[in-house]
Amino acid sequence: GQQVMQIPQYQHVQEGEDFTTYCNSSTTLSNIQWYKQRPGGHPVFLIQLVKSGEVKKQKRLTFQFGEAKKNSSLHITATQTTDVGTYFCAGPAMYSNYQLIWGAGTKLIIKP
Amino acid sequence: DVKVTQSSRYLVKRTGEKVFLECVQDMDHENMFWYRQDPGLGLRLIYFSYDVKMKEKGDIPEGYSVSREKKERFSLILESASTNQTSMYLCASSLSFGTGTDTEAFFGQGTRLTVV
Repeated sequence: GQQVMQIPQYQHVQEGEDFTTYCNSSTTLSNIQWYKQRPGGHPVFLIQLVKSGEVKKQKRLTFQFGEAKKNSSLHITATQTTDVGTYFCAGPAMYSNYQLIWGAGTKLIIKP
Repeated sequence: DVKVTQSSRYLVKRTGEKVFLECVQDMDHENMFWYRQDPGLGLRLIYFSYDVKMKEKGDIPEGYSVSREKKERFSLILESASTNQTSMYLCASSLSFGTGTDTEAFFGQGTRLTVV
């Protein structure tokens, strides 16, 4: 069935280092969404990418959507403690107009 | 701001009990969802609803049912709670579906359910 694979599951970084998470879909996606979940919190929408090759920036966060619209990445430059949390990607399900298929998430951990 | 409110933040229930989780949204969204979140498994869709009294099964509906009598309220029911239903339950709503805009999901704060 349709899957969205997200790697890595965890990433430990020193504060100030960069962080990247990758999503790969088994099918072409019409769009992809990214969410952030802080520890103890709920997922919060960050952005939606729609166009092939699209790149969007939000301050230190850079989101990319692949040319084939099957992969996407989120890159954070110079991580800060406020970036800690789990980042999820999600794309529309092919078999249902209503569902999102979610990646398993990448947990960003800042080393003390 | 969209607000999605879940009735309880933490809940402890006994095996075999019937459990009701309530969710209310205040933005007149058509679509509402119930997810279950477990470590390493991401978000798994239990049920969703695209209109009042309309519901559809998600990926893991077994042991659950839902009710949507009013547009703003979507209830998740555990018919007979079991220990393997111990989890974080997240309610969400969205304005629209599919490939267009306004499809982002707005989540409630979550209910951490423990079944003992």
